[in-house]
Amino acid sequence: DAKTTQPTSMDCAEGRAANLPCNHSTISGNEYVYWYRQIHSQGPQYIIHGLKNNETNEMASLIITEDRKSSTLILPHATLRDTAVYYCIVRLSYNTDKLIFGTGTRLQVFP
Amino acid sequence: DTAVSQTPKYLVTQMGNDKSIKCEQNLGHDTMYWYKQDSKKFLKIMFSYNNKELIINETVPNRFSPKSPDKAHLNLHINSLELGDSAVYFCASSQDRGFMNTEAFFGQGTRLTVV
Repeated sequence: DAKTTQPTSMDCAEGRAANLPCNHSTISGNEYVYWYRQIHSQGPQYIIHGLKNNETNEMASLIITEDRKSSTLILPHATLRDTAVYYCIVRLSYNTDKLIFGTGTRLQVFP
Repeated sequence: DTAVSQTPKYLVTQMGNDKSIKCEQNLGHDTMYWYKQDSKKFLKIMFSYNNKELIINETVPNRFSPKSPDKAHLNLHINSLELGDSAVYFCASSQDRGFMNTEAFFGQGTRLTVV
């Protein structure tokens, strides 16, 4: 059911920017791109979402390509605590639509 | 001041038993969910309730029955537990603002082990 494709795993050095890509080539005009992460043994945590403009909050930045077929989540200064599985999800903007999690990208931040 | 809380955190039980997992959210949200994460770490939605009404009911065995006594609670009752029910179950909630859905907040999960 997942409509996104992400690399299985990535590594990043502590203090460096982590750039996590996501392909969503079949995204429709009214679907948003959401990012969540799941740190080991915890519940998923919302990070950021966007429709077509780039977005930034205290956790991350989201860059969406002009054709909206792909996006990149950027953690500007990765820390060891950012080690987690990151999920890119596309969904419609109302509650009757499901958050469908794919396999995500396992990000390992190393010292 | 936990936003979405689940109890118990761990549950070990024998096959054939009936058990319940409770979920409460203090965020004032009107939509709540149950997700199952299996041993392969795949997160899959089971149910969604909006204002105590069932909205989403994925292909889940009838042995699983959600109950929403009010907007702040969504409990999951499981009858005749089977080995394959062993998983981590996550409760979540979000607020429907009509044209814009907000992010979902997840509980810490309930690790169910059926022996």
